[in-house]
Amino acid sequence: SQQGEEDPQALSIQEGENATMNCSYKTSINNLQWYRQNSGRGLVHLILIRSNEREKHSGRLRVTLDTSKKSSSLLITASRAADTASYFCATALRNRDDKIIFGKGTRLHILP
Amino acid sequence: DAGVIQSPRHEVTEMGQEVTLRCKPISGHNSLFWYRQTMMRGLELLIYFNNNVPIDDSGMPEDRFSAKMPNASFSTLKIQPSEPRDSAVYFCASKPPGQRNEKLFFGSGTQLSVL
Repeated sequence: SQQGEEDPQALSIQEGENATMNCSYKTSINNLQWYRQNSGRGLVHLILIRSNEREKHSGRLRVTLDTSKKSSSLLITASRAADTASYFCATALRNRDDKIIFGKGTRLHILP
Repeated sequence: DAGVIQSPRHEVTEMGQEVTLRCKPISGHNSLFWYRQTMMRGLELLIYFNNNVPIDDSGMPEDRFSAKMPNASFSTLKIQPSEPRDSAVYFCASKPPGQRNEKLFFGSGTQLSVL
């Protein structure tokens, strides 16, 4: 069963604009991760945020976590064509932190 | 390190045939996950192992699916008999030990087509 649900399902923006993707989840978590998948490839880890953190940065990535709303957002600033990919959130449940569940992902397309 | 290695990269088979997917995790990693990805259902967790022991197989669709991890460096996912609805990309991922090592490392996947 899906624990996380990303929103929107698909997003197209102009190169240079910021892209924001959201993830909602159902049960209490230990941490939330974001992954990226290029077409035909495996997923690659981008960033992890723990349940006691509210915001985290890594290069052009900014992740927020609101545990009261059970939601997270991934912001990619100054988007580039190479950012075109699918982005997934993944959650590790509080009482089963070794069981990692993924959402269905957001397909991001950066227009030149 | 070569990363997580999956084979075959592509598999085309006929309905009713047995299919075996293989995975070699990253050396030193002690958790291994099998996921299935389709457009309709997204990325589903099928089963995962810790220290070669199956921990949770609740995502395995039915008895036609089985997975083994005979040692720390090898795992298989078998479908017998295969059906067209099993067509998907199957990913293997591994994770190192340690409570704060939650990051998964994925293989390139096996694209399975059952005709």
